[in-house]
Amino acid sequence: KQEVTQIPAALSVPEGENLVLNCSFTDSAIYNLQWFRQDPGKGLTSLLLIQSSQREQTSGRLNASLDKSSGRSTLYIAASQPGDSATYLCAVNGGGNKLTFGTGTQLKVEL
Amino acid sequence: GAVVSQHPSRVICKSGTSVKIECRSLDFQATTMFWYRQFPKKSLMLMATSNEGSKATYEQGVEKDKFLINHASLTLSTLTVTSAHPEDSSFYICSASPRRVTYNEQFFGPGTRLTVL
Repeated sequence: KQEVTQIPAALSVPEGENLVLNCSFTDSAIYNLQWFRQDPGKGLTSLLLIQSSQREQTSGRLNASLDKSSGRSTLYIAASQPGDSATYLCAVNGGGNKLTFGTGTQLKVEL
Repeated sequence: GAVVSQHPSRVICKSGTSVKIECRSLDFQATTMFWYRQFPKKSLMLMATSNEGSKATYEQGVEKDKFLINHASLTLSTLTVTSAHPEDSSFYICSASPRRVTYNEQFFGPGTRLTVL
């Protein structure tokens, strides 16, 4: 059974700092991995999707990497802003389009 | 593009009543939709996979008679919580994948907050 873990569970940083969120998964046989953002009481916003054959994806200040063999992905956020404050979730697609979600990292970017 | 809506966004009901939640893909067709449940400060748990024109596939531990799923068209799936009880109170989120199979990205709705009194 696939298990997805995110470290740290919570993170507080000053505005402008670069930061890295970590995601690890136990079964490397994945189709793709997605990073999401969730604001309190809201649904999920897809940030980046990395196919299993890819090593990284970039969108603006966000960069996600994938090391399938070691079961790890990172989400790098450059020059963090207060508007980046949210919970970040990673999810792996192990086939059949079924996603297994991580436990999430709650990020707070302070002024 | 790739917008998914849910209705209602919030519902409060009495114990014993049934509640229907709609999930719609607004600008694409989705042969498959997914229903998730999220407890406070917890991650999402997949409840069932909804396939257009066929029966839903439920995850282990999810009562199919309790959570009725219907996927009547390529743009609409419904989740009905039957005889709701306070322990069914939760945040329910649906997602949908466009028909371009090779991409396999899921787009999520805004969620429905269910409170059972």
